[in-house]
Amino acid sequence: AQSVTQPDIHITVSEGASLELRCNYSYGATPYLFWYVQSPGQGLQLLLKYFSGDTLVQGIKGFEAEFKRSQSSFNLRKPSVHWSDAAEYFCAVASGGGADGLTFGKGTHLIIQP
Amino acid sequence: SQTIHQWPATLVQPVGSPLSLECTVEGTSNPNLYWYRQAAGRGLQLLFYSVGIGQISSEVPQNLSASRPQDRQFILSSKKLLLSDSGFYLCAWSVTGTNQPQHFGDGTRLSIL
Repeated sequence: AQSVTQPDIHITVSEGASLELRCNYSYGATPYLFWYVQSPGQGLQLLLKYFSGDTLVQGIKGFEAEFKRSQSSFNLRKPSVHWSDAAEYFCAVASGGGADGLTFGKGTHLIIQP
Repeated sequence: SQTIHQWPATLVQPVGSPLSLECTVEGTSNPNLYWYRQAAGRGLQLLFYSVGIGQISSEVPQNLSASRPQDRQFILSSKKLLLSDSGFYLCAWSVTGTNQPQHFGDGTRLSIL
């Protein structure tokens, strides 16, 4: 069965600094990977997805993620964070076998310092 | 464009009472539909998914049930709520097929007293 690990429960970054959120997955075949963002009390918004092809994918709000098969990782990055980026971030992998749901990591809570 | 609506946004219910949460999708046909529960610090847990009217797959045994009476309507129910049913419930949809990204509603915060 597939699994997703987000090693960092909380990360604190200064406004304007760069950001990298880690995600490791476990899946036997080619994974379909996603990053979502959740603001407090709201649903999840899709930031970006990786299906195949170019291993560096661009998303909304200035985010990007790089798929590294050798490291089983799909880390999310942003060159310069804004206070509005403070939120919970979830990495997810699709099962690949059907229409059943995504497998999510437990999330990383991003705190932005002024 | 497609939109997804969940209601109510918040709900406070006593233990043992029934539950009905509703989710509807607009702007698409024959979507896959999903119910997740999010508990504090535990990420998202898939509860049910549906690939068509009347077709429900359950991922976790519990006292909750789901129904899909119409193509774009997904309902989460319980006959008797437990304290452990408290949480944030999220509905999501995706286009038909496998490995598609899912799009989430704004969620329902359910508190059981």
